[in-house]
Amino acid sequence: AQSVTQPDIHITVSEGASLELRCNYSYGATPYLFWYVQSPGQGLQLLLKYFSGDTLVQGIKGFEAEFKRSQSSFNLRKPSVHWSDAAEYFCAVGGTLDDKIIFGKGTRLHILP
Amino acid sequence: NAGVTQTPKFQVLKTGQSMTLQCAQDMNHNSMYWYRQDPGMGLRLIYYSASEGTTDKGEVPNGYNVSRLNKREFSLRLESAAPSQTSVYFCATSFRVTEAFFGQGTRLTVV
Repeated sequence: AQSVTQPDIHITVSEGASLELRCNYSYGATPYLFWYVQSPGQGLQLLLKYFSGDTLVQGIKGFEAEFKRSQSSFNLRKPSVHWSDAAEYFCAVGGTLDDKIIFGKGTRLHILP
Repeated sequence: NAGVTQTPKFQVLKTGQSMTLQCAQDMNHNSMYWYRQDPGMGLRLIYYSASEGTTDKGEVPNGYNVSRLNKREFSLRLESAAPSQTSVYFCATSFRVTEAFFGQGTRLTVV
């Protein structure tokens, strides 16, 4: 069965510091991978997605993610965070096996001024 | 274009009451989903529908039923609400799993 693990429930970084949020997935075929962000009281916004090709994917708001098949990982990175990046981040997996999109439990990002 | 529209936005139910959450999309997507979001649990898939006339169980289907009325509409029914079903419910659609587009959510409280 497909699954997503986000090992960090909370992460705190200082404004201007770099960020990496971890995501590991399990999927029985080539995965489609996603990162979504949810600001407090808001809906979900797609940051980036990976289907195939270049394993380094660029997204909105200066985010990028790297697909590593050998590690079953799709980690999200940003070189310099801003206070407005404080939110909850969700990794998700889907693909060609069926029509499901499964989400991880999320990582809440806190930014120190 | 409205995208994905959920109704109602807020609802309070008493234990044992029933209700139906409505979802409609104008994106012409085949796939539709119902998720629930609880603190620390992320989004958990309740049911999904790959196309009109088909529905399948997700990760947490117990206590829920769904109907894919047509291509546009996918409803979620709670037959006998329980406090454990207090949650925020999101409807989503996608075209061949390429991206999930979400409604604004329904905040349900069961007392």
